[in-house]
Amino acid sequence: QVELVESGGGVVQPGTSLRLSCAASGFFFSNYGMHWVRQAPGKGLECLAVIWYDGSKYYADSVKGRFIISRDNSKDTLYLQMNSLRGDDTAVYYCARGDDLLSLDYWGQGTLVTVSS
Amino acid sequence: EIVLTQSPGTLSLSPGQRASLSCRASQTVNSNSLAWFQQKPGQAPGLLIYAASSRAAGIPDRFAGSGSGTDFILTISRLEPEDFAVYYCQQYGTSPWTFGQGTKVEIK
Repeated sequence: QVELVESGGGVVQPGTSLRLSCAASGFFFSNYGMHWVRQAPGKGLECLAVIWYDGSKYYADSVKGRFIISRDNSKDTLYLQMNSLRGDDTAVYYCARGDDLLSLDYWGQGTLVTVSS
Repeated sequence: EIVLTQSPGTLSLSPGQRASLSCRASQTVNSNSLAWFQQKPGQAPGLLIYAASSRAAGIPDRFAGSGSGTDFILTISRLEPEDFAVYYCQQYGTSPWTFGQGTKVEIK
């Protein structure tokens, strides 16, 4: 069965960096686009970044230039390198599998990132 | 980017009643690539509907999606206790993929 497990969240100070990981299993990882979606406390969902199966990437304006999405197909793992973190980056970060027909059909459980001094 | 506007913000209904949730796009959603997600407190969102009207695997038939172009509807025919949650629409026909702000369906 498909499983996505995020890790790497925690409490960090403003201006610092953090790397999130998403370990995938149960499907051919390299065949799918993979997404990071975040949800600030009490707020809605925001698509942050996507890396397609061909390696092309797209970022939301809110994180462009600060966050980097990458993948290691040999390890079935998705990453999000987050730099220059700000208070408004505080959120639960989800990874999700993307499909052109099904949209985001599988999600991880999320990992909480808190940016605070 | 395509902006999705959901209405109402909150829907107060009783179990057994019918719920109708609206999602309006700022421009045409390509190929009717519109999905609906359900999110309960403390949980990740779960896919309900894709391609505007197709139910995801395991989703009961009381959930139905309809619409095309810029106007979409999620209907829950008879609310069960487990259906009280927040619902999000999302378009995936044009990059960047975007979500609506959500509709909370609460128990009246």
